[in-house]
Amino acid sequence: DAGVTQSPTHLIKTRGQQVTLRCSPKSGHDTVSWYQQALGQGPQFIFQYYEEEERQRGNFPDRFSGHQFPNYSSELNVNALLLGDSALYLCASSSYLAGGEETQYFGPGTRLLVL
Amino acid sequence: QKEVEQNSGPLSVPEGAIASLNCTYSDRGSQSFFWYRQYSGKSPELIMFIYSNGDKEDGRFTAQLNKASQYVSLLIRDSQPSDSATYLCAVNSYTGGFKTIFGAGTRLFVKA
Repeated sequence: DAGVTQSPTHLIKTRGQQVTLRCSPKSGHDTVSWYQQALGQGPQFIFQYYEEEERQRGNFPDRFSGHQFPNYSSELNVNALLLGDSALYLCASSSYLAGGEETQYFGPGTRLLVL
Repeated sequence: QKEVEQNSGPLSVPEGAIASLNCTYSDRGSQSFFWYRQYSGKSPELIMFIYSNGDKEDGRFTAQLNKASQYVSLLIRDSQPSDSATYLCAVNSYTGGFKTIFGAGTRLFVKA
């Protein structure tokens, strides 16, 4: 049973560029949430996707956008990168239909460095 | 006041001792509570979740929840060096829409 997968594992970008991160949820899960984790901090909620719609959004600017595909996989896009966007980006999946939407399982993360 | 607060530590305990990790939260609408373990450079790994007041035990781990005091804790019995990690408390709330809020984590060192 495959767990949550994310790609790429590491990424280096320069300020002003755009980046797309990808996530495939755990088998049987239909909900994907994205988090940003800066060094020494806890994960910060960016947004959550279910049924290809953004269900909830955290306190992040519109430069952060996402998408969920019919197979439940998801992308996180960040435009006009800033140095402060350097962080570990985590994807977590859960199952809303199975009533387990609250229990989230994390992927390995994508470490983004903005120079 | 932070929405979820944890002592940043580091908390140092000898091997075989009980490690006690604490977390407080501000939103009384919070309904479910989670403890994650995160090794350096890795992603969070779910250890336990608890929804009801009281204790919940799973192997060497016991989660304790007191909603009246807005307090949740994690006890690790017979601590092992492999338990050395950062422990993240997470709280789910439906106030104003579903959201998961993490504390900044407590670093735990178990000395052999």
